[in-house]
Amino acid sequence: NAGVTQTPKFQVLKTGQSMTLQCAQDMNHEYMSWYRQDPGMGLRLIHYSVGAGITDQGEVPNGYNVSRSTTEDFPLRLLSAAPSQTSVYFCASSYGLAAIANTGELFFGEGSRLTVL
Amino acid sequence: GNSVTQMEGPVTLSEEAFLTINCTYTATGYPSLFWYVQYPGEGLQLLLKATKADDKGSNKGFEATYRKETTSFHLEKGSVQVSDSAVYFCALAVYTGRRALTFGSGTRLQVQP
Repeated sequence: NAGVTQTPKFQVLKTGQSMTLQCAQDMNHEYMSWYRQDPGMGLRLIHYSVGAGITDQGEVPNGYNVSRSTTEDFPLRLLSAAPSQTSVYFCASSYGLAAIANTGELFFGEGSRLTVL
Repeated sequence: GNSVTQMEGPVTLSEEAFLTINCTYTATGYPSLFWYVQYPGEGLQLLLKATKADDKGSNKGFEATYRKETTSFHLEKGSVQVSDSAVYFCALAVYTGRRALTFGSGTRLQVQP
């Protein structure tokens, strides 16, 4: 009963370093997404995918890359970390956009806290 | 574009007090409305939903009514418990074939015994 699994839970980087946040889901969801959560700003959408091989930008995509080679996995890459990317990152998945609009069911991972020094 | 505005927190209440967290929205199209809850150290979970005007969503003693005329979806609970301490997010969804949920900034609720 894993649901949405994110790794790592905590990470500290130096400015300019690169890293990948991993996200995997075992519910056969077509839709996967990455959000960042910052104090006073709620959750902002970074990138999303509506199926394997299909990705698109959200509200705040700059500095991040994604790919979707399988239905299960949706990694988020930071190419050259900056202090402005210090945040808590959440991966979320669902059956699809129509399902989200009808039910609101978006399944979240537990989050990854990233600090960039 | 779509946006959600929530009252700023934190909201601090004593146990058994009445809770209201205000939420208003702007949307192109006819949105579905949701409340999510985030307990400490966890991801967000769907709390309740309403998909059309005058619908009332309810769960775990919480309620919210979809008011199209005032573009509001206020969260209420008659008697809060310490275990209700969490961050509450109002959200909307309009199926446009692109992005999914638009979230408000969240309201932290602290319930004291």
